[in-house]
Amino acid sequence: GAGVSQTPSNKVTEKGKYVELRCDPISGHTALYWYRQSLGQGPEFLIYFQGTGAADDSGLPNDRFFAVRPEGSVSTLKIQRTERGDSAVYLCASSLGDRGTEAFFGQGTRLTVV
Amino acid sequence: DAKTTQPNSMESNEEEPVHLPCNHSTISGTDYIHWYRQLPSQGPEYVIHGLTSNVNNRMASLAIAEDRKSSTLILHRATLRDAAVYYCIPSHSGTYKYIFGTGTRLKVLA
Repeated sequence: GAGVSQTPSNKVTEKGKYVELRCDPISGHTALYWYRQSLGQGPEFLIYFQGTGAADDSGLPNDRFFAVRPEGSVSTLKIQRTERGDSAVYLCASSLGDRGTEAFFGQGTRLTVV
Repeated sequence: DAKTTQPNSMESNEEEPVHLPCNHSTISGTDYIHWYRQLPSQGPEYVIHGLTSNVNNRMASLAIAEDRKSSTLILHRATLRDAAVYYCIPSHSGTYKYIFGTGTRLKVLA
């Protein structure tokens, strides 16, 4: 069966541009998470969805970052006016939504802002 | 939030057991303890989780201290494919998000 799919796998953009990163979770998973990971660091929590709603967006660094999940399945992470400091691997994960169950991670999107 | 302390790195010889420790002294009574690992250039991968009792699965065993302030991930026979960064993560009390620390980088020697 298909795992968590993230597209694109790599994205290079110019400073100041807008980017969208897509996540296709495992079918039936109600919980969806976005993380970002800089080189040599552990994944940093950004936002968590339960169904269509953002249950916790406390990790979004500023208002340039926004994420949606309109139908409770696919999610898009949107970054406006990108900065070089936004360069990182953006990871998406999904789970059944219970604290005792495992989360499945995608391979990530490597974003490079030049 | 429950804080975790893990060694930055460990080494093991191939086919020997590995014990990866984690201190989580501020864990709450309802937090699960999750372990994930991240192989090079991949997303994190679930290894095991538990609440109070020791747990076993095909990948590893999890030994949880009676006071739940620490736990140990046990790989019974390390292979070269087990070389990864291992993260110990108490499930954030009251929510579902995972807070990753810096983990333990395990090096397996042939």
